[in-house]
Amino acid sequence: EVQLVESGGGLVQPGRSLRLSCAASGFTFDDYAMHWVRQAPGKGLEWVSGISWNSGSIGYADSVKGRFTISRDNAKNSLYLQMNSLRAEDTALYYCAKAIGPTVTGWFDPWGQGTLVTVSS
Amino acid sequence: DIQMTQSPSSLSASVGDRVTITCRASQGISNYLAWYQQKPGKVPKLLIYAASTLQSGVPSRFSGSGSGTDFTLTISSLQPEDVATYYCQKYNSAPITFGQGTRLEIK
Repeated sequence: EVQLVESGGGLVQPGRSLRLSCAASGFTFDDYAMHWVRQAPGKGLEWVSGISWNSGSIGYADSVKGRFTISRDNAKNSLYLQMNSLRAEDTALYYCAKAIGPTVTGWFDPWGQGTLVTVSS
Repeated sequence: DIQMTQSPSSLSASVGDRVTITCRASQGISNYLAWYQQKPGKVPKLLIYAASTLQSGVPSRFSGSGSGTDFTLTISSLQPEDVATYYCQKYNSAPITFGQGTRLEIK
């Protein structure tokens, strides 16, 4: 069974940094691209970033470009999101999602349970 | 960037009704479109990909159609467990974009 478990969320002050992790199991991690998607409280889904199987192709939403960095460690079956210069509008539940193939294009299935990031002073 | 616009934003229908949700892309995306269902307090779940292919395990009352810029998600006979918010997603290239969601309630 595919499992995606996010961690690293919490309460952080504006301007500070946070690193999210996603531990993957139940599939061959380095065969698939991975993504981060967020959902602000009571709002819709917003794609944040995606990374191909070998980290050769990476994409970011304009809203996080230059502040967030996605990475992966295929030896550890893990996905990461380094979030710097955090803003109140980054407050959201952050989901890790598996792509259906090795490239960043394609639909997502499944999704993890999410980790909550709250940016507030 | 390509924008995805869903309509309506919310709707209320009776059990057994046929329900249609529309998603429009600001530019053509061929059939690179997926639909997700998110029940209250739950994780999004894939329903349909490639505009019309039903994900394994999804009830056959769900169907998708369209190509280019206009797409629809149809529930042929609404059931109480279908109460959820539905999102379309275009995935042919980055940035990947979701529609704003359609909240479906039972009348």
